[in-house]
Amino acid sequence: GENVEQHPSTLSVQEGDSAVIKCTYSDSASNYFPWYKQELGKGPQLIIDIRSNVGEKKDQRIAVTLNKTAKHFSLHITETQPEDSAVYFCAASDGNNRLAFGKGNQVVVIP
Amino acid sequence: GAGVSQSPSNKVTEKGKDVELRCDPISGHTALYWYRQSLGQGLEFLIYFQGNSAPDKSGLPSDRFSAERTGGSVSTLTIQRTQQEDSAVYLCASSFGSTANTGELFFGEGSRLTVL
Repeated sequence: GENVEQHPSTLSVQEGDSAVIKCTYSDSASNYFPWYKQELGKGPQLIIDIRSNVGEKKDQRIAVTLNKTAKHFSLHITETQPEDSAVYFCAASDGNNRLAFGKGNQVVVIP
Repeated sequence: GAGVSQSPSNKVTEKGKDVELRCDPISGHTALYWYRQSLGQGLEFLIYFQGNSAPDKSGLPSDRFSAERTGGSVSTLTIQRTQQEDSAVYLCASSFGSTANTGELFFGEGSRLTVL
């Protein structure tokens, strides 16, 4: 089955700087790659996703890039703010019933 | 708004006891998922329900785990003879889509299970 890995496990950034989280996946058949944000005590929430027919997608301060050849995709957060502090999960799916999630990245934005 | 509702939010039980966790999905969502989140681990898929189709149980870790979904709505995850390694947050999610590709997963806040 699909195996998704995230790096780094913890990331600290100064407020206003950019944060980048990278994920790799193993199954070349995967074609859907969402990112979920989980705040303390809450369930994960979708923040952005990308499908395999595009290489980049942006939504305000967040963007996701996909490199299918290398089987990795990255989340970019620009102009980080304290409310961006959370755990971020990447996931991959080949169209079956399940999403394979990574172990999560703890992002800490230092005011 | 009416999001995914899970109960109980916290459950402490003794090893060997049975527990039931409940999930009330968003009205109209046909797909329902259970995931397990252990400390320092990602979200581990457990089971998937889609409408009246047979559930995908391929993620259940042992035969002590079972789940049902009555009337295509509320779901109950049952863990029999709980073990300490069952301690985790159990997350339920629902979706419009029939597969993970076609619909955003809306997660509940989870049920934290602690087995002493």
